[in-house]
Amino acid sequence: GNSVTQMEGPVTLSEEAFLTINCTYTATGYPSLFWYVQYPGEGLQLLLKATKADDKGSNKGFEATYRKETTSFHLEKGSVQVSDSAVYFCALSDRQSSGSRLTFGEGTQLTVNP
Amino acid sequence: DSGVTQTPKHLITATGQRVTLRCSPRSGDLSVYWYQQSLDQGLQFLIQYYNGEERAKGNILERFSAQQFPDLHSELNLSSLELGDSALYFCASSAGGGAVGYTFGSGTRLTVV
Repeated sequence: GNSVTQMEGPVTLSEEAFLTINCTYTATGYPSLFWYVQYPGEGLQLLLKATKADDKGSNKGFEATYRKETTSFHLEKGSVQVSDSAVYFCALSDRQSSGSRLTFGEGTQLTVNP
Repeated sequence: DSGVTQTPKHLITATGQRVTLRCSPRSGDLSVYWYQQSLDQGLQFLIQYYNGEERAKGNILERFSAQQFPDLHSELNLSSLELGDSALYFCASSAGGGAVGYTFGSGTRLTVV
């Protein structure tokens, strides 16, 4: 079955540091890949997505590239801010005809200190 | 506001009881998904409905059931509650295909005491 593996957290960085959160996946076919962010006490928000190999998703300074050869979708940001502190989830969506379930990774807690 | 509305936001109930969680999808979305987020299991897919019909089942217990009504809102029924059912329950909706992605509601926090 499908699965997503994220780097273990928690991750603690200083403001303006470079961020990488690793994500690898196992899936049949060609899934769509997503990063979701969950701020304390809130639901999940879509951060970025990529639907095919070599696509780069980007939003709010975050980027991730769909790498089919390494089955990876690592999240990066060049300079993190305190406001980026949250839990980040990598996810994939298999393709079904009428909507698709998301398979999530374990989540990575990011704390950014001033 | 994501457009997906979940009620109630918080629920505290006793073991053995039954509760109903409600979800109104984003306008125009036909698919509704239910997820459970717990500390030990992470985010687990429970069940999907598309335009009133069950389309996919995940790790949903037999004590749990769901339905989607003609107006497309959905309800998740949890019965014979156990302490381990304490979790955040999220609803998400999508227009249809997997590439579109989801919109999540803010969740219902269920505490079983």
